[in-house]
Order: sequence, then structure tokens, then C-alpha cells
Amino acid sequence: GAVVSQHPSRVICKSGTSVKIECRSLDFQATTMFWYRQFPKQSLMLMATSNEGSKATYEQGVEKDKFLINHASLTLSTLTVTSAHPEDSSFYICSAVQGAVDTQYFGPGTRLTVL
Amino acid sequence: RKEVEQDPGPFNVPEGATVAFNCTYSNSASQSFFWYRQDCRKEPKLLMSVYSSGNEDGRFTAQLNRASQYISLLIRDSKLSDSATYLCVAKKDDSWGKLQFGAGTQVVVTP
Repeated sequence: GAVVSQHPSRVICKSGTSVKIECRSLDFQATTMFWYRQFPKQSLMLMATSNEGSKATYEQGVEKDKFLINHASLTLSTLTVTSAHPEDSSFYICSAVQGAVDTQYFGPGTRLTVL
Repeated sequence: RKEVEQDPGPFNVPEGATVAFNCTYSNSASQSFFWYRQDCRKEPKLLMSVYSSGNEDGRFTAQLNRASQYISLLIRDSKLSDSATYLCVAKKDDSWGKLQFGAGTQVVVTP
């Protein structure tokens, strides 16, 4: 089956620093990757849609200058949380879609804690 | 109003019993629906797709009622390993195939 990895799985950082999260499709080429955020006891909220070689499309209310997304290849997308603050502490999950196939394959998530 | 709404539960179910729960969706243009399972502090995993005619996968049965805009999931012969949060998901009718997640229904199966 399709495998998506995320790195790091957990990160703790100080307020004001930037954190980069990687999302990789390990055994397939992902035409589209999605980035989600999930706060405790809440649903996954889509932050942005990322396509290889083009700018990401952000959902309403998500600051593109704060959450920088780069989809440089068909197997790698990165999310950088710039100048992180405690309210950015959350569970960040990516997913990848292979070609025209519907199914989104999810990464294991990255738990970010900003002190 | 949230696009996908679920009863958060928890549903406490004795092992071997049957449990069923619904979710409702507000966007009548939603094309596809899914149930995902999410364990604590883990990523969601696809449990099953939901078809208009209803579909079954082992002990799990999903139903879709487009007229009333709700989806249901029934779990028969509950196992301890069924304890999880079940996420109702609607796929938006756009070229990106965006998924709209409900907040989840927690199921706790007890011995």
C-alpha cells in the first residue's frame, strides 16, 4: 500500500522560532499533497493544498506567510511554521494523492509544541 | 454551521454488542463519503467508503441517505480493538478532491 512519512514526529520549540515539517510519499509520486491541522477533540482542518511545482492554495483564514508550503518534487512537500507561537501548538498531518486516484494517504502526523 | 457534524460520544459499548451512529452533512453537492478511524494521537485511517446503496465490510455497515443528508456506521459484534474515534468525511465536489472531516464520534468498547 501507499506509504506517507512525516518528519519529525514530534517537535518542541521556543516561541518565535520556525519549524519545518517534511511530508514524503515513499512508494509513489504524489501529484497533490494536503496539509491539515488538528486541535484536541476537534476535526482535521484543511490548511492548504499543495501541487508539485506550483504555489499552494490556502484555505480561508490560514496565513500563507506564516505557514510556508513548498512542494519541490513529486515525493516531498514541506510546511514551515514561521515565528511559531503557543497557539500554533497542534497536530499537523499531511496527506498525499497518487495521480487521479481518489484515496488520500495520510502521514503519521507531527505534534508541535511551542513553549 | 459545520459542514459535517457528528455526535462526539463517547458511545460506551459492551464487547460483542452492536453500536450505530450517524453524521450529517450540509453541502448537498458533496459527492463521496467515507468513514475514517482515528486512534489517539495517530493519523486517520480509511475504514470504508460509503455508497448510496449501502455497503458492508465485515462487521461494519455504512449507509448514505442523500435525501436527509446523513451517513451512518454500524459496528456489529464489537471488539475491544474497535475502540477509537470514527471520523465522518465528505469529499468536496472540486478538482482537488478536498476532504471535509467531522470532529469524530468516540467509541469505547468495554470488556
